[in-house]
Parts: sequence; structure tokens; C-alpha cells
Amino acid sequence: EIVMTQSPATLSVSPGERATLSCRASQSVSSKLAWYQQKPGQAPRLLIFGASTRATDIPARFSGSGSGTEFTLTISSLQSEDFAVYYCQHYNNWPFTFGPGTKVDIK
Amino acid sequence: EVQLVESGGGLVQPGRSLRLSCAASGFTFDDYAMHWVRQAPGKGLEWVSGINWKSSTIGYADSVKGRFTIARDNAKNSLYLQMNSLRAEDTALYYCAKDIHLAVAGNFDYWGQGTLVTVSS
Repeated sequence: EIVMTQSPATLSVSPGERATLSCRASQSVSSKLAWYQQKPGQAPRLLIFGASTRATDIPARFSGSGSGTEFTLTISSLQSEDFAVYYCQHYNNWPFTFGPGTKVDIK
Repeated sequence: EVQLVESGGGLVQPGRSLRLSCAASGFTFDDYAMHWVRQAPGKGLEWVSGINWKSSTIGYADSVKGRFTIARDNAKNSLYLQMNSLRAEDTALYYCAKDIHLAVAGNFDYWGQGTLVTVSS
């Protein structure tokens, strides 16, 4: 099983600032990496798949990069609605696994 | 509008069984793979199981392999999860999630609101 790790666990950011979230896989997952956003009491929402492709209706301020074992999600200018928990997930092979999440909160 | 509505959760004793259902609408169900993902209270996400459009490719997390069985009925636009030999650590909110592809791509673009399973004596 591929183990996903994320850093930092919590990221405190002011509105309008840039946020950079990291995700690491215990072995290469090529570009088969997705990012999800989850707000309290809501189901997760797909943001990015294929490491860098934005899902439908996802704003351009969200961008993903990386391949192999190191990945980054960047939110270029944080809006109030972006404060949430972000999970990375690989889908290179069974079983698919998620990282533990990064909580982005208001500084 | 895509809708996924889970049902069948509840309180169950350890060792007993439960069957979850997911009713899908707003898209052509048999054009997509489907999955179950769970979230223990206050914890992160865990992929549980996935099934392709024609039920020929099925996968499970190691934590549920041999105890859980995923199935789908394309005629009824429904996804199921049969959970046997339940353990306290299976306590979670269980989400039904739609894949972006008919084969198992592993990306989940629509999610239900979940059904809560509590395993306790």
C-alpha cells in the first residue's frame, strides 16, 4: 500500500495571501494524484486530478504540480471560501489512499 | 443534476452485518465506475472499495477485504456495500462517490452526503 503524507498539518494564512500545500507518496504514483477540498459538514470536492488538471468549475487560483512522489497544491490568493481541509489522494493502483489532510485556517 | 443518496446506515453490534445502498440520478449510471469512501468521526478520508461500470473490475482496501462486498445494479441505478463481521473501527460516515470514467480511474467528481454507520455493543 502506498502511504501518502501531507505537510503542514495546519497552515494559517491571511485572506489574499498565497498558500502552498505539500503531498508526498511513499513510492512513485506517476501523475495519478488528486486533490480534494472538504469543508465542515460537507462532502469532499474534487479540485485537481492528473496532478495538475483542474476539475470542472474549479477556479484558476487553484493549481497543482508535481509527479512521481512530490506534489504541490497552490492557492494563489486565498478567498474566505477556501478555508477548509485539503486531502491528496493517489490512484496509481489499488488500494487508493488519501493523505491525512492539511487544514487551511485564517491567520 | 447529479445526485447520490446513501441509505442503510445505523447502529449495529460488532460481528453483525449491514448493507448500504446508494441511489444515483442525474447521469447515465452505467457509464461510470463507482466507489465507497468512508470517514471516521473527526478523521480523514479512507477509500473503501470501487467497481467499474460492468462489475468486472472490483477493488477493496486491505482493512475491509474479505468482509465487505461491493455490487451495483445498473438497471436500478444503484450501488451497494455489503458489510459483514463489522468492527468498532468500521464506525464512519460512508460516502458513495462517482468516478470520472467508466473504468476505475480513481477520481471522485460527485459525492453523496453519506450514511453513518456506528458499530458498538
